[in-house]
Amino acid sequence: AQTVTQSQPEMSVQEAETVTLSCTYDTSESDYYLFWYKQPPSRQMILVIRQEAYKQQNATENRFSVNFQKAAKSFSLKISDSQLGDAAMYFCAYEDSGGGADGLTFGKGTHLIIQP
Amino acid sequence: EAGVAQSPRYKIIEKRQSVAFWCNPISGHATLYWYQQILGQGPKLLIQFQNNGVVDDSQLPKDRFSAERLKGVDSTLKIQPAKLEDSAVYLCASSFRRAGGELFFGEGSRLTVL
Repeated sequence: AQTVTQSQPEMSVQEAETVTLSCTYDTSESDYYLFWYKQPPSRQMILVIRQEAYKQQNATENRFSVNFQKAAKSFSLKISDSQLGDAAMYFCAYEDSGGGADGLTFGKGTHLIIQP
Repeated sequence: EAGVAQSPRYKIIEKRQSVAFWCNPISGHATLYWYQQILGQGPKLLIQFQNNGVVDDSQLPKDRFSAERLKGVDSTLKIQPAKLEDSAVYLCASSFRRAGGELFFGEGSRLTVL
């Protein structure tokens, strides 16, 4: 079974600065998807960014970008110009491209604190 | 566009009692998921439906949990009898495609078992 590891239970950053959240995963598959989801306090989880493993180019969504290192099985999220609204739990997730039996496998999450 | 609806938002029961959660996915989304999120952990998949068929229920404790998706739309998740370790948030999510697509989550149903 695939595993997703987020080694930072909590991160803190000053407003307007840049922060990087780490994620590593383990799989024997060559084609898969990787995601970062954001879960604000008492609100539903929403997609931040998505990466397809066969694409070498790192995904970018406005202030959010990823550093995808396929050989190292690493998928970090960079948040630039941090804003107070970015405060949330961030979950890294993996999914086989074939819609495998495991569905989405999530890490344990990183709690991001934004200091004003 | 309406999001994923879940109810109830909160439920407190005693162990060995039963509980049911309801989910209404986004219209047109064929894939529906139930996840269990224990405090301090990431969501864990319980069951995945494609239309009204089960794709995967390998992590569903079938001795106490059951789920159905009637007519490929709404879904219910039932726990009977509940145990203390079932205390968690139960998240429903839906997606237009089976793999690689964005999951849209509901606000969750928080269960406390006393």
